[in-house]
Amino acid sequence: EVQLVESGGGLVQPGGSLRLSCAASGFTFSIHAMNWVRQAPGKGLEWVSYIGNSDTTISYADSVKGRFTISRDNAKNSLYLQMNSLTDEDTAVYYCAGGRAPYNWFDPWGQGTLVTVSS
Amino acid sequence: QTVVTQEPSFSVSPGGTVTLTCGLSSGSVSTSYYPSWYQQTPGQAPRTLIYGTKIRSSGVPDRFSGSILGNKAALTITGAQTDDESDYYCVLYMGSGLWVFGGGTKLTVL
Repeated sequence: EVQLVESGGGLVQPGGSLRLSCAASGFTFSIHAMNWVRQAPGKGLEWVSYIGNSDTTISYADSVKGRFTISRDNAKNSLYLQMNSLTDEDTAVYYCAGGRAPYNWFDPWGQGTLVTVSS
Repeated sequence: QTVVTQEPSFSVSPGGTVTLTCGLSSGSVSTSYYPSWYQQTPGQAPRTLIYGTKIRSSGVPDRFSGSILGNKAALTITGAQTDDESDYYCVLYMGSGLWVFGGGTKLTVL
């Protein structure tokens, strides 16, 4: 079964840091690009970051550029998101999602992990 | 700042047909933006419906179809069912490894 499982969410104070993880199984993780997509409470989806299959290609939304760092460990079938200088606007459910080619679409999706930035 | 536009809400009767659209604040959507569509019910992860403008994802019923209508991408549901009541999101690929989601359409089936 194809599965993505996020972890690492929780409550963090403004200005703090958090590292999210996404464990992949059921497919050949190393050949797939990956993404992080977030959803603030009651709001829509927002693409956050992309990493190619060999992490030579990385991109970020302007809203997180310079604060978030995406990475992956193909040996561990894992994707990561290091989040620094967090603000309340970063409060959201964070989903990891496969990056599919051709056609640049997202699949599969994890169930998400909630990050709450609050004092 | 590129904004992807979607209708905030739409209503359709059971058995009816509805077309949701996905546009750009400036310019036209074409297949080069690789529009894809996702369905999300409250508390659940998104589910892929359509990618590459009109390709149905595995297991998606054929009542869902994608297209380009005029200057927008479109998702049409033909023969809507009560289970289709969800939020629907489109996303466009802007190039250079950047994507932008639309704000989503809340579809009511009643």
